Amino acid sequence: DAGVIQSPRHEVTEMGQEVTLRCKPISGHDYLFWYRQTMMRGLELLIYFNNNVPIDDSGMPEDRFSAKMPNASFSTLKIQPSEPRDSAVYFCASSLVPGSMNTEAFFGQGTRLTVV
Amino acid sequence: AQSVTQLGSHVSVSEGALVLLRCNYSSSVPPYLFWYVQYPNQGLQLLLKYTTGATLVKGINGFEAEFKKSETSFHLTKPSAHMSDAAEYFCAVSDTGGFKTIFGAGTRLFVKA
Repeated sequence: DAGVIQSPRHEVTEMGQEVTLRCKPISGHDYLFWYRQTMMRGLELLIYFNNNVPIDDSGMPEDRFSAKMPNASFSTLKIQPSEPRDSAVYFCASSLVPGSMNTEAFFGQGTRLTVV
Repeated sequence: AQSVTQLGSHVSVSEGALVLLRCNYSSSVPPYLFWYVQYPNQGLQLLLKYTTGATLVKGINGFEAEFKKSETSFHLTKPSAHMSDAAEYFCAVSDTGGFKTIFGAGTRLFVKA
């Protein structure tokens, strides 16, 4: 497996524009996570899905943020409208079913978002 | 609720010296514990994990960590630092599995020649 694949790797956009980040999890993983990493706040869990269903979105900072998982192999994180304070590295991760011994999250390379 | 505290946002050691990165956790149920490493401009990579069984866990690149329930700690060690170990290290905790993993703030390790 190629691992968790995120696109784009870098995104620069103007304030007010819509931004869509994409993620392809590892095949067979039932859980998908979106994290945001900033210098000030570290690594924050935004939302996670189980079997394509959002389970906990309490980390989503505002209504401008939304995430979907239309099928087991694809997820998006959308910011509309974007603001400069959204600039961060966004990571997608996936993992197997809880209770399995293979419980760690596998991370993608991240998308570095810059909103100017 | 679970939480992770990493003591020291920056640690500096000389090449060949002992590396010790501290992590304390809080969990209401038996935890699963992890250490991840992040190199510049890359994603997080698993170093090692504790799920059940032996409390001394060995990972990649010569790192190991010991789960001490009485101290609620999971400190990361390596006997001899190498320049290539310079990176940021994250301790993480989850319950029953990796479906919701909480990360510490991270510790940046500097290795001096």
